[in-house]
Amino acid sequence: GENVEQHPSTLSVQEGDSAVIKCTYSDSASNYFPWYKQELGKRPQLIIDIRSNVGEKKDQRIAVTLNKTAKHFSLHITETQPEDSAVYFCAASEDSWGKFQFGAGTQVVVTP
Amino acid sequence: DAGITQSPRHKVTETGTPVTLRCHQTENHRYMYWYRQDPGHGLRLIHYSYGVKDTDKGEVSDGYSVSRSKTEDFLLTLESATSSQTSVYFCAIRADAFYGYTFGSGTRLTVV
Repeated sequence: GENVEQHPSTLSVQEGDSAVIKCTYSDSASNYFPWYKQELGKRPQLIIDIRSNVGEKKDQRIAVTLNKTAKHFSLHITETQPEDSAVYFCAASEDSWGKFQFGAGTQVVVTP
Repeated sequence: DAGITQSPRHKVTETGTPVTLRCHQTENHRYMYWYRQDPGHGLRLIHYSYGVKDTDKGEVSDGYSVSRSKTEDFLLTLESATSSQTSVYFCAIRADAFYGYTFGSGTRLTVV
């Protein structure tokens, strides 16, 4: 089955700097890669996703890049703000049942 | 809110007792999932459903069973709760392939 590794486990950045989280996956058949943000005590919420036929996708200050050959994808947050502080999860999916394999999560702390 | 509700939100139960968690959706989505979230493990799939009476096991299904007699309801049962099942349980729904999950608000279960 699919295995997703996520790094780093914690990330501290100064407000205004950029943050990058990287994930690798094992199953070359995976074709859909969402990212979730989870604030303390809240539910995970989808913030951006990318399909395997696309190399990059942007939405305001966040972007995701996908390298199918190397089987890794990354989340980029630019001009970080305190409200970006949260746990971020990557995931990969390849089958029609839509089961996601999640990474272990990255705790992002943005300090003013 | 997000078209998906979980009940109860919090529960404390004793070891050896049966427990049932409920997930209810108003979106008429076919796919429904139960995950558990534990520190250091991210989100792990317990069971999932493709439709009414169509369910299958995830990666951590031992000790859990599910039922889906109606499109809108997906029940997770711990037959005989153990302390290792203390966790936060999230239900998720998905419209179709290449769509992300929408998560419920979660149920915090403590087994004492």
